[in-house]
Amino acid sequence: DAGVTQSPTHLIKTRGQQVTLRCSPISGHKSVSWYQQVLGQGPQFIFQYYEKEERGRGNFPDRFSARQFPNYSSELNVNALLLGDSALYLCASSGHLENTIYFGEGSWLTVV
Amino acid sequence: AQSVTQLDSHVSVSEGTPVLLRCNYSSSYSPSLFWYVQHPNKGLQLLLKYTSAATLVKGINGFEAEFKKSETSFHLTKPSAHMSDAAEYFCVVSDRNDYKLSFGAGTTVTVRA
Repeated sequence: DAGVTQSPTHLIKTRGQQVTLRCSPISGHKSVSWYQQVLGQGPQFIFQYYEKEERGRGNFPDRFSARQFPNYSSELNVNALLLGDSALYLCASSGHLENTIYFGEGSWLTVV
Repeated sequence: AQSVTQLDSHVSVSEGTPVLLRCNYSSSYSPSLFWYVQHPNKGLQLLLKYTSAATLVKGINGFEAEFKKSETSFHLTKPSAHMSDAAEYFCVVSDRNDYKLSFGAGTTVTVRA
């Protein structure tokens, strides 16, 4: 079975632009979470979605938004990009009856 | 709210010697605890997890961790380090009823030949 897949793997954006990152969870997993990992730090929780509803939000500005689709895939959107948004964005999925969270390889975002 | 503190930002060991990565946690509820590893330019791989079963948890690649409630610790060990163990290690805690993960700052492991 495929693991958590994310796209794109790398991208470069200019300050002020908008970006959309995509994630497909492990087959059968209904929960998707997003994390931001700035270089040299541990990942920080951004959002969690379960059954297409937002279940949790971390301490991130409203420029960050996400959604989950009927097939449980998810998108993370970031508007008005800042240099500080440069990071590895990790998507994770988990099943309902287990609390193990599996991570994708991430999307590297560079804002110039 | 839950949190973890990784007591060492960097650990350097010789190949074939033991590895010890220290982690203390804080949680209002019965926690779930994890160790994840991240190799350079890669995503996160689960090494092991504790969810209130046996306090000594065995993981992949020879790693194990012991949950000590009295010390609020969850230290990671490996008897004999391999060059491929060089990576960043994260101690992680979550509330049993909440899938949000709280990561420590990470410990960088280097292995000397």
